[in-house]
Amino acid sequence: DVKVTQSSRYLVKRTGEKVFLECVQDMDHENMFWYRQDPGLGLRLIYFSYDVKMKEKGDIPEGYSVSREKKERFSLILESASTNQTSMYLCASSLVPGADTEAFFGQGTRLTVV
Amino acid sequence: RKEVEQDPGPFNVPEGATVAFNCTYSNSASQSFFWYRQDCRKEPKLLMSVYSSGNEDGRFTAQLNRASQYISLLIRDSKLSDSATYLCVICTGNQFYFGTGTSLTVIP
Repeated sequence: DVKVTQSSRYLVKRTGEKVFLECVQDMDHENMFWYRQDPGLGLRLIYFSYDVKMKEKGDIPEGYSVSREKKERFSLILESASTNQTSMYLCASSLVPGADTEAFFGQGTRLTVV
Repeated sequence: RKEVEQDPGPFNVPEGATVAFNCTYSNSASQSFFWYRQDCRKEPKLLMSVYSSGNEDGRFTAQLNRASQYISLLIRDSKLSDSATYLCVICTGNQFYFGTGTSLTVIP
């Protein structure tokens, strides 16, 4: 059974803290993605990576950074958490896009910044 | 213009009804198309891929119209367990683009 695993289901952090969200996939996928999902806005891409040590900004990268030191692991970092970063964070992975290349999601991390 | 447009609903339908969702996309070079299902507070999961020839999986039928740049999902004989949010997903280049999701509630 294919798996994308996020390190935490729920997190509560204080404003200004540095926050690490970890994501691991066991499918040897090249592509990995971080999204946030907010009511009425759908899934918005923060960053993605198509190879180890490679990263590309998505639509809303401000306030975030990422790290991909190993193929199976993609980390999202909130440099200084703010209340407007309270959201559901979803990690996904996929093969290189082609016909029928679906995205597999982790279970999500619901982050609350107080 | 958004990459993907989807009617958010909500759709409230009685058990046994047929319901259809549409989704339009803006990039004619998009190469793969999907419908995902997302239950409350859970991650999205693939429901089915969408092909130009149309494809069916039990009570679910998906269709792609490349000329008009939309995809559709038809659910026949709705069950209570079909209540969820349905996301259309378009793969263009190296990225996935998501609709905002359509909320479906099937009422007894």
